[in-house]
Amino acid sequence: EPEVTQTPSHQVTQMGQEVILRCVPISNHLYFYWYRQILGQKVEFLVSFYNNEISEKSEIFDDQFSVERPDGSNFTLKIRSTKLEDSAMYFCASESRGSHQPQHFGDGTRLSIL
Amino acid sequence: AQTVTQSQPEMSVQEAETVTLSCTYDTSENNYYLFWYKQPPSRQMILVIRQEAYKQQNATENRFSVNFQKAAKSFSLKISDSQLGDTAMYFCAFGLGGGGADGLTFGKGTHLIIQP
Repeated sequence: EPEVTQTPSHQVTQMGQEVILRCVPISNHLYFYWYRQILGQKVEFLVSFYNNEISEKSEIFDDQFSVERPDGSNFTLKIRSTKLEDSAMYFCASESRGSHQPQHFGDGTRLSIL
Repeated sequence: AQTVTQSQPEMSVQEAETVTLSCTYDTSENNYYLFWYKQPPSRQMILVIRQEAYKQQNATENRFSVNFQKAAKSFSLKISDSQLGDTAMYFCAFGLGGGGADGLTFGKGTHLIIQP
């Protein structure tokens, strides 16, 4: 069964550095998402992406964050000037045709900011 | 804005028993979807079951079924013949319909422990 693949599984970064989290969505999917889960808390929506542009974003997704689909395959989340509170699990998800067909999640990247 | 509430932080049952996890939500929308996701200790997010709000029939997937009460805005998950592998965090989630790329709204989760 096709899967959403995320790399790396664990990223350790010094505070203030930039980090790029990578995702390879399921190949025929059209909608892409990033979510964040701070340890012990609920999963929070960050941003959705469709037709090569941001579709929706939450209030968490400020100017520190950006997303890109550079080559038609990868879907990346860039976090600039990382802060301690950015430490979390970051999940990528993809969906075939909107309206929650449903969303398939990757295994997540655990981001640790030191 | 939508909210999802899971009032049971943790539940524990014996293997082979039936357990029901509760979820309530609040929305002014009429076209939406509801989901239960399972997150085992490995931290993956695995879809358990999906319900379209316009369908009156409750969704069922093998040992997993839901009790969807639209008027009460309630969406509980029943796990029959529970197994040790069902031990996980269970998240209830809400998604808007309409064909757009709207993010899901999750509850805080219920930690389900299946005892041998």
